[in-house]
Amino acid sequence: SQTIHQWPATLVQPVGSPLSLECTVEGTSNPNLYWYRQAAGRGLQLLFYSVGIGQISSEVPQNLSASRPQDRQFILSSKKLLLSDSGFYLCAWSVTGLANYGYTFGSGTRLTVV
Amino acid sequence: EDQVTQSPEALRLQEGESSSLNCSYTVSGLRGLFWYRQDPGKGPEFLFTLYSAGEEKEKERLKATLTKKESFLHITAPKPEDSATYLCAVQARGGADGLTFGKGTHLIIQP
Repeated sequence: SQTIHQWPATLVQPVGSPLSLECTVEGTSNPNLYWYRQAAGRGLQLLFYSVGIGQISSEVPQNLSASRPQDRQFILSSKKLLLSDSGFYLCAWSVTGLANYGYTFGSGTRLTVV
Repeated sequence: EDQVTQSPEALRLQEGESSSLNCSYTVSGLRGLFWYRQDPGKGPEFLFTLYSAGEEKEKERLKATLTKKESFLHITAPKPEDSATYLCAVQARGGADGLTFGKGTHLIIQP
């Protein structure tokens, strides 16, 4: 069965420090991968998506970047965190043609920038 | 720009008291409408996908329906374990291959 792993679960980082969040998927090949952010009082916001290795599309201009070095690995990074980067970060995957199963989300990373 | 509006923002019901959650959307061609359940501190859990007006899907005490402008999530005889935030999202044709989410309805079922 397909599973998605996301870590760490919680993270407290000072302003100006770098960030690296990792997401891996098991049990499927060539998934579409996504990074979402959920801020207090706001809906989930799509940050990046990827349809293949090295292919990254950005939805919102911001202080973050994403990379996909392997088929089932998706990384969210920042060189210098801002206070406004705080939030709940969620990784998700989908497979084209399997929309009946929705987009499957990981358990999330709670990032607090102090 | 695709938009999803959910109402009410919060809803408190007694156990067994049925109700409906609303999701209004504007999208440039609907590929699919999704309902998710999210528990505090966890990622959203997939419930349903609806594709065309008139479609209905059921799962236990939940039934989702879709019209050309909105979707309803009907909860019949809810139990305390149904307490969660329910999220609605749309996927547009020809747009970014991701979902546009509403802010959710926070549902509390009191025993």
